[in-house]
Amino acid sequence: SQQGEEDPQALSIQEGENATMNCSYKTSINNLQWYRQNSGRGLVHLILIRSNEREKHSGRLRVTLDTSKKSSSLLITASRAADTASYFCATGNAGGTSYGKLTFGQGTILTVHP
Amino acid sequence: DAGITQSPRHKVTETGTPVTLRCHQTENHRYMYWYRQDPGHGLRLIHYSYGVKDTDKGEVSDGYSVSRSKTEDFLLTLESATSSQTSVYFCATSTTSGRGAYEQYFGPGTRLTVT
Repeated sequence: SQQGEEDPQALSIQEGENATMNCSYKTSINNLQWYRQNSGRGLVHLILIRSNEREKHSGRLRVTLDTSKKSSSLLITASRAADTASYFCATGNAGGTSYGKLTFGQGTILTVHP
Repeated sequence: DAGITQSPRHKVTETGTPVTLRCHQTENHRYMYWYRQDPGHGLRLIHYSYGVKDTDKGEVSDGYSVSRSKTEDFLLTLESATSSQTSVYFCATSTTSGRGAYEQYFGPGTRLTVT
């Protein structure tokens, strides 16, 4: 079963606009991560936020985490055509020995038009 | 890319034949994973390894087996391939970011078609 549910499934915007993607999850987590996947390639890690953090920034990326609502959002500001990709959230569970396992959502397909 | 290669990158095989996919890493990461990616399902964990000769099942392990005889290599075997195993397979490794959090690094994927 999928831990993360992402919304929207697809997002189409113009270059320069902001893109916001949301992720909801079901169980207690240790951390939540966002990954990008360009067409035909493997996933690339973007940013990690721990369960005791509420907001994190990395360049044009801003991630928020609300553990009371079991949700996270990824904001990409001033988007570029090169940001066109699929974006996945992934959760690392709290408690026990996780062996680094993550549970991935189904992803949001972002298209940025020049 | 974090020094993770997968071979082959593409394979077409017939139903009922055995298939082995290889993942090789040069990062000396302890943990390794095999996922499959299918439309509408995202990434699903097949098997994972937490050390040499230490492996365990993931979410969708039926029909698959794995082996890890060296830190750098993680093999995924489809004992008797079926059409439902047509998919893109990704290998990943992970290293700790501290306090129980691990980032994963992915290989380029293997596109497998079972006819």
